[in-house]
Amino acid sequence: EPEVTQTPSHQVTQMGQEVILRCVPISNHLYFYWYRQILGQKVEFLVSFYNNEISEKSEIFDDQFSVERPDGSNFTLKIRSTKLEDSAMYFCAREKQGARDTQYFGPGTRLTVL
Amino acid sequence: LAKTTQPISMDSYEGQEVNITCSHNNIATNDYITWYQQFPSQGPRFIIQGYKTKVTNEVASLFIPADRKSSTLSLPRVSLSDTAVYYCLVGEKSGTYKYIFGTGTRLKVLA
Repeated sequence: EPEVTQTPSHQVTQMGQEVILRCVPISNHLYFYWYRQILGQKVEFLVSFYNNEISEKSEIFDDQFSVERPDGSNFTLKIRSTKLEDSAMYFCAREKQGARDTQYFGPGTRLTVL
Repeated sequence: LAKTTQPISMDSYEGQEVNITCSHNNIATNDYITWYQQFPSQGPRFIIQGYKTKVTNEVASLFIPADRKSSTLSLPRVSLSDTAVYYCLVGEKSGTYKYIFGTGTRLKVLA
């Protein structure tokens, strides 16, 4: 099955700026996830999104983060006021159709906060 | 919550079979075991999934004993391109599935 695509592949921003990371599913899925991976560290769960609502979020996903599916297709992660420590790879994932314990990850967006 | 433990790193040579074992002593009855592969600066890629006994696909085999407290990923005849980090995951059921990644096993295949 095809994975998701993510844009941009690399985003450079100044501290305090807002960034929007986009995830485009190949087909219509209900469950989406965002994970992040700081360089050299583990992949960390951020948030799960089901049927246009947040289903679960981690303690990392604080008020500066938000997710939405504005046009019913793209799935976005917004970071309102970026901090240096937000520099990381951000991965979008979707569930395999009919198998909620199998996830397909996108190629990621590398976010660099200066 | 199921927690997994894997060796931090392994080295192998091209053409050899590599076995990576993962322990998950607190696995729940309904949880499946899933293995992912990750190359640098790429997203994790699904390799194989199983519940018990043995599962085989075109890239790997997964061996799970009857007590399901461990599992072994077997990669036949590895090549240099198999150098990656391999993660053993057990899905967390709490509303939705979310993966709790450990540090994984860093496999280095040598020529």
